[in-house]
Amino acid sequence: AQSVAQPEDQVKVAEGNPLTVKCTYSVSGNPYLFWYVQYPNRGLQFLLKYITGDNLVKGSYGFEAEFNKSQTSFHLKKPSALVSDSALYFCAVRGYLSNFGNEKLTFGTGTRLTIIP
Amino acid sequence: GAVVSQHPSRVICKSGTSVKIECRSLDFQATTMFWYRQFPKQSLMLMATSNEGSKATYEQGVEKDKFLINHASLTLSTLTVTSAHPEDSSFYICSALYPPGQVYEQYFGPGTRLTVT
Repeated sequence: AQSVAQPEDQVKVAEGNPLTVKCTYSVSGNPYLFWYVQYPNRGLQFLLKYITGDNLVKGSYGFEAEFNKSQTSFHLKKPSALVSDSALYFCAVRGYLSNFGNEKLTFGTGTRLTIIP
Repeated sequence: GAVVSQHPSRVICKSGTSVKIECRSLDFQATTMFWYRQFPKQSLMLMATSNEGSKATYEQGVEKDKFLINHASLTLSTLTVTSAHPEDSSFYICSALYPPGQVYEQYFGPGTRLTVT
């Protein structure tokens, strides 16, 4: 069974400082990894994904994530945090396609990121 | 591109009544859509996978007779909560797979807040 762990329920960072939101995963075969952001009472917005290729993936709003196969991690990062980055962040992994086009995403429990002005 | 809408955004209903939530892919055809439920301060729980023209696949523990899913066209899936009770109050989010023919991503709707009184 596939799983995702986000070990920190909450992360607080001062504005302008670098931020990291941690994610580790477990899946059979090669992982497809995703980061989503959720603002209050809103659906999820796609930030970035790792499918294959470079371990450092760049996404929306200046975010990036680093895929580390040996550590089974996919941490989300940003060099300089903005107050508007404050939101709930979900890491997700996609498992093996048992049926074409019929896949499942498994989400972590989410990390609430608060950027302090 | 890849915009998913939901209607209504909020609904309040009385216990015992039924509520229908619509999920539409606005600028693409979605053969597969997903329905999630999110409890406060918790992650997303996959309820069911909706495939156009066929019966939905429900996750273990989800009552298929209570949560009726119909995916009658390539741009519309509906979730009907039948005989709603207060414990059904939650945030319901749909998503759709896009684009076809490539590595799939899920694009999420903005969610529907259901309150059963």
